[in-house]
Amino acid sequence: KAGVTQTPRYLIKTRGQQVTLSCSPISGHRSVSWYQQTPGQGLQFLFEYFSETQRNKGNFPGRFSGRQFSNSRSEMNVSTLELGDSALYLCVSSLEQGARADTQYFGPGTRLTVL
Amino acid sequence: AQKVTQAQTEISVVEKEDVTLDCVYETRDTTYYLFWYKQPPSGELVFLIRRNSFDEQNEISGRYSWNFQKSTSSFNFTITASQVVDSAVYFCALSEAGTGRRALTFGSGTRLQVQP
Repeated sequence: KAGVTQTPRYLIKTRGQQVTLSCSPISGHRSVSWYQQTPGQGLQFLFEYFSETQRNKGNFPGRFSGRQFSNSRSEMNVSTLELGDSALYLCVSSLEQGARADTQYFGPGTRLTVL
Repeated sequence: AQKVTQAQTEISVVEKEDVTLDCVYETRDTTYYLFWYKQPPSGELVFLIRRNSFDEQNEISGRYSWNFQKSTSSFNFTITASQVVDSAVYFCALSEAGTGRRALTFGSGTRLQVQP
């Protein structure tokens, strides 16, 4: 079974630009979450999507947005990039059957550098 | 609010030594899940274990073992006979299931260096 895939793996942008990151979850998984990892703040939850609906959102400004498609693939967008947005962005896939919290599988991440 | 504390920022051991990574958590929910993840230099987080709040049995998987104690809100991880390949950053995480939230709250991580 293929794991979580994220594209692109590396990205360099300049301040003020916008960026879109893509994630394909494990086949059959319906929930996709996104996390930001930085040396200063560690791993922080961005948002979670389930069946094309945003189910949960972390404490990030509105410049960070996302969506999920009918095939469970997800994209996240960051507009008006700031230097502090430089980070590893991790996509997480989980099966989500019933109420129990299933194991969450992380993708390899997209490393975004903002110059 | 939930919180995970990993007080050990970095640990260095010599191969074959045993090492314990500490994790202390805070939550108001009675139903929650605890996780350990490993992040090797390649960057990808690797799932190690999930434990729910109702199961306090300790678990052993090969050289890895976990000690969950609700009384002290701790979920510690021990590597027996450490190997160089165990060198990585290890994260403890908490998910509160009671409110339907799935977001993981991570600790700051413990960097383990195993010297040959």
